[in-house]
Amino acid sequence: DSGVTQTPKHLITATGQRVTLRCSPRSGDLSVYWYQQSLDQGLQFLIQYYNGEERAKGNILERFSAQQFPDLHSELNLSSLELGDSALYFCASSVGIISYNEQFFGPGTRLTVL
Amino acid sequence: GESVGLHLPTLSVQEGDNSIINCAYSNSASDYFIWYKQESGKGPQFIIDIRSNMDKRQGQRVTVLLNKTVKHLSLQIAATQPGDSAVYFCAETLNQGGKLIFGQGTELSVKP
Repeated sequence: DSGVTQTPKHLITATGQRVTLRCSPRSGDLSVYWYQQSLDQGLQFLIQYYNGEERAKGNILERFSAQQFPDLHSELNLSSLELGDSALYFCASSVGIISYNEQFFGPGTRLTVL
Repeated sequence: GESVGLHLPTLSVQEGDNSIINCAYSNSASDYFIWYKQESGKGPQFIIDIRSNMDKRQGQRVTVLLNKTVKHLSLQIAATQPGDSAVYFCAETLNQGGKLIFGQGTELSVKP
């Protein structure tokens, strides 16, 4: 158990809908990262937050947004969902903002868009 | 358990043998590299890391080798065990940033 929790574990929804994925980092970690793992793209970095502020952005679609709240939990919002958004979404956390701080991954949320 | 169902390269080894998993990384300016293990239904788990000013680093039963000339990274697992069966990913970062760039992954299958 990495100490990172993600909810829900599974999510099934329809095209055009909007969903919110939630992540609670390990106690004491200030950075939260979101990754997408799909069949055709593998594991891809989406976005990083540190202590409530956006720090780095990857190939995150404009339909996707994220935020980190004062209690350090984070939410990833996916809107206008398409079939291709079906994937595993992982949250990771680390104590700091640099790469040398180990990232601990949660168990993931499996999103299925029908 | 769950898996993404990726069509990954597969390495099949006998229990007790040594395993070597290879990775070609993308950016010659990357300065930090990590190997992750992902078991079915779980998130990636850190195994070992190496900075670009090193060419070898050893952990418990694992060794990472870095060849910057050809942008190649390898993970050696000694005395492979059935519990080592998983998908292994290399990841690289640039300028100490938190963004990890993952390779495609290799599925390791250990036969008892």
